[in-house]
Amino acid sequence: AQSVTQLDSHVSVSEGTPVLLRCNYSSSYSPSLFWYVQYPNQGLQLLLKYLSGSTLVKGINGFEAEFNKSQTSFHLRKPSVHISDTAEYFCAVINTNAGKSTFGDGTTLTVKP
Amino acid sequence: DGGITQSPKYLFRKEGQNVTLSCEQNLNHDAMYWYRQDPGQGLRLIYYSQIVNDFQKGDIAEGYSVSREKKESFPLTVTSAQKNPTAFYLCASSIGAVQGYLSGYTFGSGTRLTVV
Repeated sequence: AQSVTQLDSHVSVSEGTPVLLRCNYSSSYSPSLFWYVQYPNQGLQLLLKYLSGSTLVKGINGFEAEFNKSQTSFHLRKPSVHISDTAEYFCAVINTNAGKSTFGDGTTLTVKP
Repeated sequence: DGGITQSPKYLFRKEGQNVTLSCEQNLNHDAMYWYRQDPGQGLRLIYYSQIVNDFQKGDIAEGYSVSREKKESFPLTVTSAQKNPTAFYLCASSIGAVQGYLSGYTFGSGTRLTVV
């Protein structure tokens, strides 16, 4: 069975500062990992994904994530956040045999002026 | 532009009523999914379908039903057996097959269901 744990339910930072959103995963084989963003009352949008290869992956809106196999982590970060980054962020792992994803509980990011 | 359309955006249900949420995609995706979202609980999988005329139960299928008669459509019925249906419902799709799943999901904008 696969699972993801998002370690912070809420993160609050000031505009222009860096942010780290933490995600740990559990998988019995090489995982495929995703980060999604959800703005209020909207669906989720894919930010970035790790399938294989380089452990540092870059996504949209200046976000990047690093896959760490030894620590079973896939943390999301951005060097300098903007107020428009205020949203909920979800980490997910996919079971390609079953064709379905498991999502974390989400991290609400609030960026203050 | 291709995408997923969920309707209605807001839906109110009386106790004991069945209601159907619509999900239509024009992405030519094989796989479709229904998730329920409650505050602080992330997304929980209700049903999913990897191909037309076939679907599987997810983690919280009790009180829900689906059909997949057309590739483009995957409606969700919330039955009277679902005791706590108030939630935000999200439909998603993916290309399907192993490599297609790795492209990630495309989500609709959701339906907010409230029991009155």
